[in-house]
Amino acid sequence: NAGVMQNPRHLVRRRGQEARLRCSPMKGHSHVYWYRQLPEEGLKFMVYLQKENIIDESGMPKERFSAEFPKEGPSILRIQQVVRGDSAAYFCASSPTTGNDSPLHFGNGTRLTVT
Amino acid sequence: DQQVKQNSPSLSVQEGRISILNCDYTNSMFDYFLWYKKYPAEGPTFLISISSIKDKNEDGRFTVFLNKSAKHLSLHIVPSQPGDSAVYFCAARGGTSYDKVIFGPGTSLSVIP
Repeated sequence: NAGVMQNPRHLVRRRGQEARLRCSPMKGHSHVYWYRQLPEEGLKFMVYLQKENIIDESGMPKERFSAEFPKEGPSILRIQQVVRGDSAAYFCASSPTTGNDSPLHFGNGTRLTVT
Repeated sequence: DQQVKQNSPSLSVQEGRISILNCDYTNSMFDYFLWYKKYPAEGPTFLISISSIKDKNEDGRFTVFLNKSAKHLSLHIVPSQPGDSAVYFCAARGGTSYDKVIFGPGTSLSVIP
């Protein structure tokens, strides 16, 4: 049973380009969460999605960032017109249901570097 | 506003001794607490959890204690092993957005052989 798969593992973008990060949840998991870890900091919640719905995007920057989890295919975190401050590790997590008996399962992250 | 705090950025412990990692929280609506372990270049992995209706939960070498009145929890690792060297994140859920898990900044544990 494959775990949460994120790709690419490393992504380098120049300022102003777009970054697209992909996350395939564990089989049977319909809840996806995105977190960001800035250098020397902890994990910051960004967005929580279920299939085709954004449930909580309270941690998403108001501009340039968007997320989707379509009916078919992986969840995508999209960052438009990247800036140096977007350089971070982005982690995706999934769970089969909501509630306390469904801990989050994390992927190994995508490390975004903006030059 | 940091709702989950881990005031020790790092901790060093001798192999075989006890490691105690501390965590404080400010949101009294939190009702479920988790600990995750993270190795470099990997994602966090779930370690142990505790509900607010309990004050202790044990799983092998790992025990989590919860003091609700003090809004404090701790993770005890006994005996500590070199493979336990990692960053440990305290996390909590509940409150205004039930499904959102809030993480602390992490404590880097080094277990010295």
